[in-house]
Amino acid sequence: QVQLEQSGAEVKKPGSSVKVSCKASGGTFSTYVFNWVRQAPGQGLEWMGGIIPMFGTATYSQKFQGSVTISADESTTTVNLELSGLRFDDTALYYCATWGEGYDFDHWGQGTLVTVSS
Amino acid sequence: QAVVTQEPSLTVSPGGTVTLTCGSSTGPVTSDHYPHWLQQRPGQAPRTLIYETFNKHSWTPARFSGSLIGDKAALTLSGAQAEDEAEYYCLLSYSGPRLVFGEGTKLTVL
Repeated sequence: QVQLEQSGAEVKKPGSSVKVSCKASGGTFSTYVFNWVRQAPGQGLEWMGGIIPMFGTATYSQKFQGSVTISADESTTTVNLELSGLRFDDTALYYCATWGEGYDFDHWGQGTLVTVSS
Repeated sequence: QAVVTQEPSLTVSPGGTVTLTCGSSTGPVTSDHYPHWLQQRPGQAPRTLIYETFNKHSWTPARFSGSLIGDKAALTLSGAQAEDEAEYYCLLSYSGPRLVFGEGTKLTVL
């Protein structure tokens, strides 16, 4: 059974960067697709990008290309999301999630709230 | 980037049937888009009810079913219950692979 534990809430200034981590336990870390999904307050879900740790190269939504970096560390079974040039509208709940391996494979972290405030 | 369209809101009576749809700006939705349907209740993380068009997880109530209807993916709820009141999101896969969520359908059971 895969469990995803995300890092804690962050408060950041506009223009700064933030790194959100997602520690995976159970299962076969290297072969799963790990996704990052954003949800602004009162808004819908946005897929930001994903990575398969064994391949190491992330795929990004066009919207987030260039402002987001997704990485994976196989030694610590951790997936990271780094946001740069933060804006007020980056204030959101960021979820780490993995799915796509068939029956009953759908795992989500608890979400990390990133607040951008001056 | 593709736009995935859903009904913003729908209302169903308790015990009634409702169909939520999911369209794509790029053309017909097919099984090659691997349609997923996710449910999100207030204050909770989303969870997938239907994956790859029509497949269910063990936690998916039998009253939910997924299909393709015309040019769209569809989620049908037969025998709605109060606990089904939630936001429902469609998720489609495009080449890359890149995934796109629909804007969600707020389902009210009333």
